[in-house]
Amino acid sequence: DTAVSQTPKYLVTQMGNDKSIKCEQNLGHDTMYWYKQDSKKFLKIMFSYNNKELIINETVPNRFSPKSPDKAHLNLHINSLELGDSAVYFCASSQIGQASPLHFGNGTRLTVT
Amino acid sequence: AQSVTQLGSHVSVSEGALVLLRCNYSSSVPPYLFWYVQYPNQGLQLLLKYTTGATLVKGINGFEAEFKKSETSFHLTKPSAHMSDAAEYFCAVVGGGYGGATNKLIFGTGTLLAVQP
Repeated sequence: DTAVSQTPKYLVTQMGNDKSIKCEQNLGHDTMYWYKQDSKKFLKIMFSYNNKELIINETVPNRFSPKSPDKAHLNLHINSLELGDSAVYFCASSQIGQASPLHFGNGTRLTVT
Repeated sequence: AQSVTQLGSHVSVSEGALVLLRCNYSSSVPPYLFWYVQYPNQGLQLLLKYTTGATLVKGINGFEAEFKKSETSFHLTKPSAHMSDAAEYFCAVVGGGYGGATNKLIFGTGTLLAVQP
């Protein structure tokens, strides 16, 4: 009965590689997000999709490309990985609207060596 | 631009003592405010939220927060700490820049709560 699920949970890779993280939600929400949490636990939004349409695109290197095949799925592909990309990436979902709380997945810990 | 400041990156209390985690916000519009909790190796879980209406908001696990516009504060409290409350706590405000309907959360830097037996 997992609400927001991300795979993989851990991802260890070398610099220069390309990797993807997948996210799925079964809450019936219409909006999904990617957040990045750095080593100091600081959380920053990266992207958001509403019904497969990109609605939030923060200042993120274009090596990061989100894709939403449908409103229940949001994937994150990262090209040419760098050491600074090491972080925990959280997927979240909500209904559209400022009062709607976000429901978070358990995160994907990405380590770039 | 909207922002939040959490005073105290680490707070330690004894079991049974009052928990007070501080959050001050900055917003050019009436704020929507949230508190989330993060347990080790897990995602964030909503504790409570303030949108409009009653300024004292009750959440899960016995937590509550009071919205004080005059002090631009939204401090989180719990009368009696339990060992299971040990976690990282984040205050957040809805940010702007993408239109009124978008829920873009701006998070504070977090407060790590330790509960001593």
